[in-house]
Amino acid sequence: GNSVTQMEGPVTLSEEAFLTINCTYTATGYPSLFWYVQYPGEGLQLLLKATKADDKGSNKGFEATYRKETTSFHLEKGSVQVSDSAVYFCALSENRGSTLGRLYFGRGTQLTVWP
Amino acid sequence: DSGVTQTPKHLITATGQRVTLRCSPRSGDLSVYWYQQSLDQGLQFLIQYYNGEERAKGNILERFSAQQFPDLHSELNLSSLELGDSALYFCASSEDRGNFAEAFFGQGTRLTVV
Repeated sequence: GNSVTQMEGPVTLSEEAFLTINCTYTATGYPSLFWYVQYPGEGLQLLLKATKADDKGSNKGFEATYRKETTSFHLEKGSVQVSDSAVYFCALSENRGSTLGRLYFGRGTQLTVWP
Repeated sequence: DSGVTQTPKHLITATGQRVTLRCSPRSGDLSVYWYQQSLDQGLQFLIQYYNGEERAKGNILERFSAQQFPDLHSELNLSSLELGDSALYFCASSEDRGNFAEAFFGQGTRLTVV
């Protein structure tokens, strides 16, 4: 089946620190991979995505590379800001089959950045 | 603003009751998805509709049902509510059922069952 495992939080960093949130997946086919962010009191927003192996998704200084050999999609940012404090979700979606379009989410990682 | 509207934002009701959550997708989006977010289960897919038809079912209880109307808005009906149904319910929409189309999420309806 399909599943996503991401590192447990919470993660607490000082401003300008380097961020890594690990994410690995299990999929029966050839999934697309996503990172979503949830700010307090809001819905989920797509942060970045990658649709095939070796693709790199990037947005707002965040990056993640689709690694098929290690079934991973780790989120990184070189210098975090207080405004990055949020919950981050790794997710996958199959590219074909009966589950097309459905998102499988990890448990989420709470990030808190201190000034 | 994602363009997906969910009402109400908050709902408090008693056990055994029935509630209806409403979702208006982004203009032009044909697919609507419902997800449940709880502390113990995380984000779980409930059900998907595409242009009025049910397309996929996830971990949706028999006490729950949904539908998508001709104007593409969707409703999630939860009946015989239990304390464990307390959660944040999200609706998302995308322009088609392909996963290459980004899913846009509403702000959610927080359901509290007392």
